[in-house]
Parts: sequence; structure tokens; C-alpha cells
Amino acid sequence: DVKVTQSSRYLVKRTGEKVFLECVQDMDHENMFWYRQDPGLGLRLIYFSYDVKMKEKGDIPEGYSVSREKKERFSLILESASTNQTSMYLCASTPSLVSVAFFGQGTRLTVV
Amino acid sequence: GQQLNQSPQSMFIQEGEDVSMNCTSSSIFNTWLWYKQEPGEGPVLLIALYKAGELTSNGRLTAQFGITRKDSFLNISASIPSDVGIYFCAGQGNTGNQFYFGTGTSLTVIP
Repeated sequence: DVKVTQSSRYLVKRTGEKVFLECVQDMDHENMFWYRQDPGLGLRLIYFSYDVKMKEKGDIPEGYSVSREKKERFSLILESASTNQTSMYLCASTPSLVSVAFFGQGTRLTVV
Repeated sequence: GQQLNQSPQSMFIQEGEDVSMNCTSSSIFNTWLWYKQEPGEGPVLLIALYKAGELTSNGRLTAQFGITRKDSFLNISASIPSDVGIYFCAGQGNTGNQFYFGTGTSLTVIP
């Protein structure tokens, strides 16, 4: 079974802190994604990556950056956390040719 | 970014009833996916559809890829309490690897 693991289930950070959310997949997938999920807005794509050191902006990249130094790991970085970044963050990965996204369990981030 | 229209937004049904929900898009998709998300968890894939007109079942769940390639449907037969959750559709076009998601259908099953 494909496993996508996010490093934290719950996180509480202060406004202005730099926050790292980590995601690891164990199936050698080419593509990895970061979404945020808010009530009534569904899943919105923040960033995605086709390959190591490659990244593309999604629909709402402002206030975020990403890092993909190794194929299995995709990190989401909040440079200076703000309260409007309180949300559920979901990481996903897909193999290169088969279009199915596998999700991690999510990280519920609260910025106070 | 594009968002899919998913309906209904929420459903409250009695155990044993059948459930239908659908998802529509203004664009043509090559792939439709249906996910279920339980509280505090990430979405779990239920069914994947790759061809227009395709009808695929997974236990009590049946999903269809619309002929126009702009819609998809999910049916759950004989609902049970553990069907509770939010059901999301997702579509992928031919312009890249990006998925577009519906806003979800929240399902409550009353025993």
C-alpha cells in the first residue's frame, strides 16, 4: 500500500514564526502536492512538484514556499505564520503515469 | 483555479437508504476520482474512473464517468453508519498533473 506520512497531526504556532510541514511518501512517486482545506472552500492547491528540486505554484502560493531536496520528501514552509493560515494541510503524491492521488492524514495547523 | 460544482452540499439520511451525489465541471476531464474523508483524517480514494461512460463499483459504491466528460456521479446503496464523512470528487484534465476538487458532500447517516 502507498503510504504518505505527514510529520505532525496537530500543530500550534505563534504569529510570525517560521513553520515547517513535512511530508514523506514511500512509493517513489514523481509528483507531490500540498493543499489546504477550509470549510466551504474544499481543497486548494498551494504548490506541487514534478521532480526533485522542481516546484510549481498552485492556486494560492502566497505566504508559502516549498522544498524538495529528495524524491520522497516534500516540505511546506510558512515563512512568517499568520492567523489566516490556520487550516488543515494535506499532502498528496502520485506516480508519474497513473492519475491517482494518495493523501497523507493531514496536519491541523493553528496559528495564534 | 478551477473548482468543481459538487451537490448536494450535505445530506442527512436514514440507515438503509441509497445516496446519490454528483459533480460537474465547465471543462472536460480525462480522469474522475472519488474520495471519502473522515473527521480529522486525510481523503481516502474510493473509486477512479478513466473513460467516458465508465461505470465502476467498489462494494456498495458505484461511480460513473459522464459521457460528456464534464460530470461524474457517486451512488451509495443501503447506507450504514460508517458511511458518514465528506465525499469529494476530483478531476484531472490533459493540461498537466493538477487535480481539481469539489467542495465536498457531507453525509450523515441516522441509525
